[in-house]
Amino acid sequence: EVQLVQSGAEVKKPGESLKISCQGSEYSFNTNWIDWVRQMPGKGLEWMGTIYPADSDTRYSPSFQGQVTMSADKSVSTAYLQWSSLKASDTAIYYCARHFAYGGDNDYWGQGTLVTVSS
Amino acid sequence: DIQMTQSPSSLSASVGDRVTITCRASQGIRNDLGWYQQKPGKAPKRLIYAASSLQSGVPSRFSGSGSGTEFTLTISSLQPEDFATYYCLQHNNYPLTFGGGTKVEIK
Repeated sequence: EVQLVQSGAEVKKPGESLKISCQGSEYSFNTNWIDWVRQMPGKGLEWMGTIYPADSDTRYSPSFQGQVTMSADKSVSTAYLQWSSLKASDTAIYYCARHFAYGGDNDYWGQGTLVTVSS
Repeated sequence: DIQMTQSPSSLSASVGDRVTITCRASQGIRNDLGWYQQKPGKAPKRLIYAASSLQSGVPSRFSGSGSGTEFTLTISSLQPEDFATYYCLQHNNYPLTFGGGTKVEIK
């Protein structure tokens, strides 16, 4: 069974750095794009960008370009989302998912990682 | 960026009602659209892909239609487990964009 398992909830202070993870299993992780989605408290879904683990090619939404960094480690089938200096407005649930453009039975999401940024 | 305008933003309906949600794209996206359902505290779940194809395991009361710029999600007979928030998502062009969501509530 295809699975995406995300790292646990984080509580951070403004200005701190953070890296959250998304580990895939039971499919060819390296050759499937991974998408990241933000959901701020009580708000809708926002597509942040996507990464191709085989060569770390990335596509960022302009809204998130320069605000976060996506990376991947093929050896452990894991994608990462990273902040160098968190803001209170980064408080949200972050989901990874296998690329939304894939058709058929493709509907695989991580369970979400809650990031809380508060002084 | 392609803007996805979803309407209504919320609706109240009764069990058994027929419900229709619409997404309009700011430019043509062929049929590169999916519909997602999200319940509180859960990750979204895809109901429809390629605008009108039913995701495996999704009840047949859900259907999608449209192409180009106008898309519709229809629930033919609303069930108690269908009260949730629904989103469309276009994947025709980067950046992918979600609609604003439609919250379906119990009347």
